[in-house]
Amino acid sequence: DGGITQSPKYLFRKEGQNVTLSCEQNLNHDAMYWYRQDPGQGLRLIYYSQIVNDFQKGDIAEGYSVSREKKESFPLTVTSAQKNPTAFYLCASRGSRSGELFFGEGSRLTVL
Amino acid sequence: SQKIEQNSEALNIQEGKTATLTCNYTNYSPAYLQWYRQDPGRGPVFLLLIRENEKEKRKERLKVTFDTTLKQSLFHITASQPADSATYLCALDEMDDDKIIFGKGTRLHILP
Repeated sequence: DGGITQSPKYLFRKEGQNVTLSCEQNLNHDAMYWYRQDPGQGLRLIYYSQIVNDFQKGDIAEGYSVSREKKESFPLTVTSAQKNPTAFYLCASRGSRSGELFFGEGSRLTVL
Repeated sequence: SQKIEQNSEALNIQEGKTATLTCNYTNYSPAYLQWYRQDPGRGPVFLLLIRENEKEKRKERLKVTFDTTLKQSLFHITASQPADSATYLCALDEMDDDKIIFGKGTRLHILP
């Protein structure tokens, strides 16, 4: 089945550690996105990529990094510089400028 | 600064009635406006997209309107059912790039 796969679904990390969240899509979409969602809040854009080897900062990029070496993959690294990393992270992709976003099931990160 | 506001955090509607949700925006020139449904702990699911030159879009019991003069979109669910209970998110797609920004969402409760 075509879709977006995020892993891991749940992740625990100690303060001061970097962690990488995986996002893979087999929809052949050019654009990919990372959002963060806190309890009772909407989605805030972290990074997005319109094409391989290119990406742009969203509204809350500080403390995060991404790469886009392959069309199918857009991993997100939550670095130790991110002051409040505990959140629900959502990855999405889009096939065209007029198309909708397809979301993964999310990764819930908890910093202990 | 750019802002998207959804009219209320939570909305209670009696089963069978029409639920109306509001999305207002400032300092944007969106090419498209989208509505998504999100269930707890899941990724959002696309419902409807409306373009800046469209006034209204329908899909089964759903209707979306888009008024670029008022900078507002209304999302209607007619003949509401308890299964419609979820959080509904509006999202704006800016004209000059692939950046997509979400509102905080409205939690809709359909009361049996």
